[in-house]
Amino acid sequence: DGGITQSPKYLFRKEGQNVTLSCEQNLNHDAMYWYRQDPGQGLRLIYYSQIVNDFQKGDIAEGYSVSREKKESFPLTVTSAQKNPTAFYLCASSPSAGGAYEQYFGPGTRLTVT
Amino acid sequence: GENVEQHPSTLSVQEGDSAVIKCTYSDSASNYFPWYKQELGKRPQLIIDIRSNVGEKKDQRIAVTLNKTAKHFSLHITETQPEDSAVYFCAASTPGTYKYIFGTGTRLKVLA
Repeated sequence: DGGITQSPKYLFRKEGQNVTLSCEQNLNHDAMYWYRQDPGQGLRLIYYSQIVNDFQKGDIAEGYSVSREKKESFPLTVTSAQKNPTAFYLCASSPSAGGAYEQYFGPGTRLTVT
Repeated sequence: GENVEQHPSTLSVQEGDSAVIKCTYSDSASNYFPWYKQELGKRPQLIIDIRSNVGEKKDQRIAVTLNKTAKHFSLHITETQPEDSAVYFCAASTPGTYKYIFGTGTRLKVLA
């Protein structure tokens, strides 16, 4: 299914709890990304990683954290500091080429926080 | 900062007609311009892309044109079909940044 997976598909949490979203790819891609998508809006970049053990903040990093301990894995933690965490979260990967290649997206995780 | 503007936000066409979606980018160094199609609740999937050394690219009913001077690019879908109904996103990428800047999306409805 495209070589990039996310789990779970749906996630429900109570306000004040941290939650970690999984993203795994077997495409041997160096670069990985996390996006947030709200209804009727585009994709907003949360974090990206060019290489193992390195990652950069995107446009809306506040309240989120990531790690990149393995090339194939890029988990995203939504912390209690994120004010409006309910959204559709998409992970993506691309070959290491300075942004000049297709991004492959995972199926997404829909997070609902009440 | 860099941004990509996309128009229109919604587009309704009759089946068999053509659809055109336009995007304008701000960073003149951008050199890669993909278009993604996203069906409801699904992941975005690449439908066509173009690099800055090319002015036009076609793939069956889909074509993309790029005007580097004006910094805009367009998606053209001919002979639209109901299964073309989806949200379409454009994006621009600049070498060395590893970042893709996405437009806000166009919801295309093809009316049977």
